[in-house]
Formats: sequence, C-alpha cells, structure tokens
Amino acid sequence: GENVEQHPSTLSVQEGDSAVIKCTYSDSASNYFPWYKQELGKRPQLIIDIRSNVGEKKDQRIAVTLNKTAKHFSLHITETQPEDSAVYFCAASNGGGTSYGKLTFGQGTILTVHP
Amino acid sequence: NAGVTQTPKFQVLKTGQSMTLQCAQDMNHNSMYWYRQDPGMGLRLIYYSASEGTTDKGEVPNGYNVSRLNKREFSLRLESAAPSQTSVYFCASRFGYNEQFFGPGTRLTVL
Repeated sequence: GENVEQHPSTLSVQEGDSAVIKCTYSDSASNYFPWYKQELGKRPQLIIDIRSNVGEKKDQRIAVTLNKTAKHFSLHITETQPEDSAVYFCAASNGGGTSYGKLTFGQGTILTVHP
Repeated sequence: NAGVTQTPKFQVLKTGQSMTLQCAQDMNHNSMYWYRQDPGMGLRLIYYSASEGTTDKGEVPNGYNVSRLNKREFSLRLESAAPSQTSVYFCASRFGYNEQFFGPGTRLTVL
C-alpha cells in the first residue's frame, strides 16, 4: 500500500519567515495530494490540495508543489504569522482502482511561529 | 449544514467494556472513514465505507467493528476495550475524490 513520509517533524520560525514542509510518497498511482492544518484540540481542516496533472498551486500565502518523477510534494507558507502555528499533515491517495480514494497521511509537522 | 458530527465528545471506559462511537454526515457523501490519532503517529485509518452497504478494513482494524447504517451514518464499535485503544477518534466523509471533511473527534480513555 501507500506510504507517506513527512519532514521535518517540528519546525520553528520567526514571524515573517517562510516555512517549508516536505512529503514523499511510494505509490506512483497516487494522484491527489491534500494538506491539512490541525489546531490544538480541533479537527484537521483542508488548507490546499493538488492533483497529479498540476505541478504547482497557490492560494495567497500558501503554495504546494508536486514532483511526480521524484514522488514528492511540498507545502510552502510565506510571511508566516503566529496563527499559522499548528500541526500540518500531508496525505496522498489513488483515486482509481479499489482504493476508493483512501487517504494515507504523513506523521505530521508541528509548526511554531514566534512573534 | 452540520457537516460531520460525532458523539460522544469524551468517553472513559474500563478495560473490557464495550461502546459504540456514532458518526453522521449531512453532505450526501458516499464514502465515510474512521481514523485514530495518537501522538506522533498521525492519522491512521481503522475502517472505511466506500458506499452504503460496504465496509472494508484500513491500516489498524484489530479490536474494532463498524456498521454503515445508511448513507448518513457510520458507527465504530469497540467490543472489549483495551488501554491501547486510548486515542482520539475522527470520523470523516468524502464525495468522490474531492475534499475529505472531518468530524470534531471523540477523546477516548481506557483505564
């Protein structure tokens, strides 16, 4: 099955700096890659996603890049703010076959933005 | 729309007790999922249901059973709770291959 590795496990930045979180996946058939943000005690919520027919996607301060050949994708947050502090999860899924779109999650990155 | 709802929010069990976690969604989604979240382990899939009437095992199904009661509801049952099942449980739902929505979670402690 799919295996997703996420790095780093913790990331500490100063307000205004950029933050980058990287994930690798194992199943070359995976074609959907969402990123979730989870604040303390809350549910995970989607912040951005990308499909395999696109190499990059941007939404204000957040961007995701995908390299299908190398099987890795990254989350980029620019101009970080204290409210960006949370746990971030990457995930991958194969939309076809018998997987029924099951998401496999990375282990998570704890991002801390210091004022 | 309430989205995905879960009950209860918190539960404390003794080893060997049984309980059912309830999940419902009002978004007319086909697929529903149960995850557990442990510190440093991310979200691990317990069981999922691709559509009403079907269920299948995920990554960590041992000690759990599920029922897809109808299109809206997907329950998770612990027949004989063990301390290793202490965790936060999230239900989720999805339409096709689009965004997956999570419920608020159930914090379960097994003593």
